[in-house]
Amino acid sequence: AQTVTQSQPEMSVQEAETVTLSCTYDTSESDYYLFWYKQPPSRQMILVIRQEAYKQQNATENRFSVNFQKAAKSFSLKISDSQLGDAAMYFCAYRSVGNTPLVFGKGTRLSVIA
Amino acid sequence: IAGITQAPTSQILAAGRRMTLRCTQDMRHNAMYWYRQDLGLGLRLIHYSNTAGTTGKGEVPDGYSVSRANTDDFPLTLASAVPSQTSVYFCASSGGGPTDTQYFGPGTRLTVL
Repeated sequence: AQTVTQSQPEMSVQEAETVTLSCTYDTSESDYYLFWYKQPPSRQMILVIRQEAYKQQNATENRFSVNFQKAAKSFSLKISDSQLGDAAMYFCAYRSVGNTPLVFGKGTRLSVIA
Repeated sequence: IAGITQAPTSQILAAGRRMTLRCTQDMRHNAMYWYRQDLGLGLRLIHYSNTAGTTGKGEVPDGYSVSRANTDDFPLTLASAVPSQTSVYFCASSGGGPTDTQYFGPGTRLTVL
């Protein structure tokens, strides 16, 4: 079974600075998908970014980018120019190919300091 | 607006009572999922359904049942609620395909006393 580990329960960052959230996973599969979801206080789960394992290029969405290291089974999220609205719980998730459920890490709570 | 709706938004329930959490999606997605979110544990899969008429057990299925009579609806039933089922419950759906993404409902906060 696949597992996802987020080793940082809490992180903080100054507004306008850059922060990196860590995620590692364990799998024997060669093809899969990785995701970062954001959960603000509203409780809504919001997809931040997605990475296909067969793609070597790291995914980027505006201020959000990932560092995907397939051999190391590492999938970190970098948030540049942090904003107050980035404060939230961030979940790393793994999904096998096909219509399969997500496997989540336990989350990292990010605080943004004005 | 297309998406997933869940009802109720929140509920306080006495232990031993039966409760059904409702989930409806209008995206014609084949797959639907139920997760529970507990502090420090992230989201864990309760049950899933890959298509109407089929269901499967997830990581924490005990005390819960589901049905999938049609594509749009995927209710979750607690037959006899216990305090350990106090949690936030999320329904999600996905349509399949090479870049399949799961979309989440707004969640139901359930408190069992």
